[in-house]
Amino acid sequence: GENVEQHPSTLSVQEGDSAVIKCTYSDSASNYFPWYKQELGKGPQLIIDIRSNVGEKKDQRIAVTLNKTAKHFSLHITETQPEDSAVYFCAASPGGAAGNKLTFGGGTRVLVKP
Amino acid sequence: EAGVAQSPRYKIIEKRQSVAFWCNPISGHATLYWYQQILGQGPKLLIQFQNNGVVDDSQLPKDRFSAERLKGVDSTLKIQPAKLEDSAVYLCASSSGQLSTDTQYFGPGTRLTVL
Repeated sequence: GENVEQHPSTLSVQEGDSAVIKCTYSDSASNYFPWYKQELGKGPQLIIDIRSNVGEKKDQRIAVTLNKTAKHFSLHITETQPEDSAVYFCAASPGGAAGNKLTFGGGTRVLVKP
Repeated sequence: EAGVAQSPRYKIIEKRQSVAFWCNPISGHATLYWYQQILGQGPKLLIQFQNNGVVDDSQLPKDRFSAERLKGVDSTLKIQPAKLEDSAVYLCASSSGQLSTDTQYFGPGTRLTVL
């Protein structure tokens, strides 16, 4: 089955700096890669996603890049703010007969210091 | 639009007891998921329903876990008997369909502590 590795497990940045989280996946059939943000006591919330036919996607201060050849994708947060502090999860979905079964990475705890 | 609702939010039980969790998905969402999230880890899919049918339960410990979605809307997840290692947050999610690109929306979860 699919295996998703996520690094780093914790990330501390100064407010205004950039944060980068990297994920690798094992199943070359995966074609959908969402990123979720989870705040304390809440369920994960989708912040951005990318499909396998796209190399990069941007939404305001958040961007995601995908390298299908290397089987890795990354989340970039620019101009970080204290409200960006949370746990971030990457995930991969194989599509096809497996539908939208998501396999999650282990998470990255991001702390933005004011 | 109302989000995914779950109850209870917290539950503390002793090992070997039974427990049940309830989920109400977003209105109109045909696909419902139950995930287990152990502290410090990412969510792990336990079971996926399409309407009232099971699509995938390959990671559900069927000797102690059961789930149902009888009328294709609400769902319950039961653990009987509970073990210490079942301590986790149980998340329910729903999506409009089961395409790989259909966004999954998560509820707030039920935090289970097994003593």
